[in-house]
Amino acid sequence: GAVVSQHPSRVICKSGTSVKIECRSLDFQATTMFWYRQFPKQSLMLMATSNEGSKATYEQGVEKDKFLINHASLTLSTLTVTSAHPEDSSFYICSARDRAGVSYEQYFGPGTRLTVT
Amino acid sequence: GENVEQHPSTLSVQEGDSAVIKCTYSDSASNYFPWYKQELGKRPQLIIDIRSNVGEKKDQRIAVTLNKTAKHFSLHITETQPEDSAVYFCAASIAGNQFYFGTGTSLTVIP
Repeated sequence: GAVVSQHPSRVICKSGTSVKIECRSLDFQATTMFWYRQFPKQSLMLMATSNEGSKATYEQGVEKDKFLINHASLTLSTLTVTSAHPEDSSFYICSARDRAGVSYEQYFGPGTRLTVT
Repeated sequence: GENVEQHPSTLSVQEGDSAVIKCTYSDSASNYFPWYKQELGKRPQLIIDIRSNVGEKKDQRIAVTLNKTAKHFSLHITETQPEDSAVYFCAASIAGNQFYFGTGTSLTVIP
């Protein structure tokens, strides 16, 4: 149980275009999902907290107009990278907490490798 | 916000030896401390976690200790094996909400 999927796993886009990444909890409901970015050989950096039915909360220094987050259902959150540039190339990972769980654990998706050319 | 520091950044041990990775955190409200193992290009995998009401937790060859007063926690891996080679991350959180990760430790176990 507690499986999180991401789609796509890899995406290449041209500079200036937008890319949408989906994060789904497959066998549980998640009122809260989180988005992280990881540059090569670096740590996971929290970008934002996605709350079902409300606006996302962004970490300091993360541009909310550039990284649009939508959490329209209890099993799906999306991250849209708008007007992507090469410096946005990174590994994007989502995680989710089980709404019904007593654990503090977050379940991570497999990540999406974004390359902006 | 929370600031998590992790040391060392790289660690090489002989197979069978122990490995210790240390983390410190800054926010005294943090009460949940998971450790993750991540292989290249893969998702982080939870290997052990500890809550602040416990000082130590062990699961076979892996243990975590927590010192709330000093705001530091450590990962201990005994009898290391080559398959333990990976990058390890610590994290701190308040009740499982936002996770703030350490900078990572690249562990190499030499056969």
